[in-house]
Amino acid sequence: DSGVTQTPKHLITATGQRVTLRCSPRSGDLSVYWYQQSLDQGLQFLIQYYNGEERAKGNILERFSAQQFPDLHSELNLSSLELGDSALYFCASSAPQGSVWETQYFGPGTRLLVL
Amino acid sequence: AQSVAQPEDQVNVAEGNPLTVKCTYSVSGNPYLFWYVQYPNRGLQFLLKYITGDNLVKGSYGFEAEFNKSQTSFHLKKPSALVSDSALYFCAVSGSGTYKYIFGTGTRLKVLA
Repeated sequence: DSGVTQTPKHLITATGQRVTLRCSPRSGDLSVYWYQQSLDQGLQFLIQYYNGEERAKGNILERFSAQQFPDLHSELNLSSLELGDSALYFCASSAPQGSVWETQYFGPGTRLLVL
Repeated sequence: AQSVAQPEDQVNVAEGNPLTVKCTYSVSGNPYLFWYVQYPNRGLQFLLKYITGDNLVKGSYGFEAEFNKSQTSFHLKKPSALVSDSALYFCAVSGSGTYKYIFGTGTRLKVLA
């Protein structure tokens, strides 16, 4: 158990809908990362937050947004969902400094299925 | 721009034999290199990383990796494979001056009994 929690585990929704994925980092970690894992595109870095502020952005679509709250949990909002958004979404956290050489600890993921 | 390549989609090895999972990278500045493993229906687990220092890095479960700057490689190795090592292995790279992590496409390791 990495100490990173993600809810829900599974999510089934329809095209055009909006969903929110939630992540709680390990105790003491200030950085949260979001990744999308799909069969055809592997593991894609979406976005990183550090202590409530956006720090780095990857291949995140404009329909997607994220935030990190004062209690350090993070939410990833996916809107106007398309079939191609079906994937496993992972959250990871890293140690307080949030430096690029720190180990990331991954949650179990949220499996999203868009029908 | 950063990139990382895992040239093999799948590696098959017999139990007890040595295994190698390949990774090459491209990054500006000093590279920070990582290996993670993913078991079915689980999140990624950290195995080992290279930040600086000794080119041979030892990690969890008997795995090790060698950083080769001239060949820009960071291959994962284990002297004697176990069936329980069968999983999906990801190499990742980051670099000084960036906060972005780039993961490889993953290599599925299958250890045959």
